[in-house]
Amino acid sequence: GAGVSQSPSNKVTEKGKDVELRCDPISGHTALYWYRQSLGQGLEFLIYFQGNSAPDKSGLPSDRFSAERTGGSVSTLTIQRTQQEDSAVYLCASSRRMEGLAGDTQYFGPGTRLTVL
Amino acid sequence: AQSVSQHNHHVILSEAASLELGCNYSYGGTVNLFWYVQYPGQHLQLLLKYFSGDPLVKGIKGFEAEFIKSKFSFNLRKPSVQWSDTAEYFCAVRPYSSASKIIFGSGTRLSIRP
Repeated sequence: GAGVSQSPSNKVTEKGKDVELRCDPISGHTALYWYRQSLGQGLEFLIYFQGNSAPDKSGLPSDRFSAERTGGSVSTLTIQRTQQEDSAVYLCASSRRMEGLAGDTQYFGPGTRLTVL
Repeated sequence: AQSVSQHNHHVILSEAASLELGCNYSYGGTVNLFWYVQYPGQHLQLLLKYFSGDPLVKGIKGFEAEFIKSKFSFNLRKPSVQWSDTAEYFCAVRPYSSASKIIFGSGTRLSIRP
């Protein structure tokens, strides 16, 4: 497809289990972002990948969270030892590389709804 | 810390009413500004954006926003809303000093009565 895809669309897990969330960005988009959307909390930045540069991990809430991006395309967000407060919708977005100060536009995927019991 | 404030959590209007959703940000430098919309059951999608130039920006579906630098504001407007505008609206700001991170507001839920 032409848009950003994410899988699974829904994930229910038990507290303490590890989960992996996948994001397929738009072809040709070199920038990839992960956000978390909690009820009434807006979008919380998690991590940003741009080409071969070191990722900006400054938004990851704890060391239980990690992400990788293989081959400059698909990305996986891993949450280890999940906690109930990790329950949220996890959104992925991609964009073309910024040029100077022109800025760029993010295109969002449908999200993965994570529920930790 | 940089932040984005959306003053209204939930706005309820009748069809044909005029709309203005507030957005203020706290950053003194140059910024990119965005409004995103999330219709029920759909993805977040870009409504409009401001990078430079004319501070009055027109977006899709009759929406517009005005960047007022002195007020650190980027309010969203529409002269006559429709039932199909029912959605959640997010304001977002990207400061140039941290060009990789867009900072989102907490969102405003808009409900339109038919």
